[in-house]
Amino acid sequence: DSGVTQTPKHLITATGQRVTLRCSPRSGDLSVYWYQQSLDQGLQFLIQYYNGEERAKGNILERFSAQQFPDLHSELNLSSLELGDSALYFCASSVGVTGGSSGQFFGPGTRLTVL
Amino acid sequence: GENVEQHPSTLSVQEGDSAVIKCTYSDSASNYFPWYKQELGKGPQLIIDIRSNVGEKKDQRIAVTLNKTAKHFSLHITETQPEDSAVYFCAASRGRNSGGSNYKLTFGKGTLLTVNP
Repeated sequence: DSGVTQTPKHLITATGQRVTLRCSPRSGDLSVYWYQQSLDQGLQFLIQYYNGEERAKGNILERFSAQQFPDLHSELNLSSLELGDSALYFCASSVGVTGGSSGQFFGPGTRLTVL
Repeated sequence: GENVEQHPSTLSVQEGDSAVIKCTYSDSASNYFPWYKQELGKGPQLIIDIRSNVGEKKDQRIAVTLNKTAKHFSLHITETQPEDSAVYFCAASRGRNSGGSNYKLTFGKGTLLTVNP
């Protein structure tokens, strides 16, 4: 158990809908990262927040957005969902802004299925 | 941006044998290289990492080597056991002292390791 929690575990929705994925980082970690995992694209970095502020953006679609709240939990919002958005979405956390001194620790993921 | 290539994509070994997974990276500014193990239905688990100021790191049956000149790093698992069966991912990122502000991990495509009893 990494200490990172994600809800829900599974999400099934229809095209065009909007969903929110939630992540709570390990106690003491200030950085939260979101990743998308699919069979064809592998693990892709989406976005990073550090202590409430956006720090880095990866291959995140404009239909997707995220935020980190004062209690450090984070939410990833996915809107106008398409079939191709079906994937596993992981949240990871690290102590510092780099994730390179203490590593990034991953949650169990949310499996999103868009029908 | 960074590109990480990982080989092989699948690896099957007998219990007790060694397994080696290799990765190459493209960004010479990368200086942090973690390895993750992902079991079915779970998130990636950090198993070992190495920074560019060292060439090798060992933790029990797991070791990682890094060749910065050639831009490749490898995971070595000795005395493999059936519970080592999983998908293994290598990754690379820049650290605080390598310039820039993007510390995202770039992952390889993964290696499915099967340890046969």
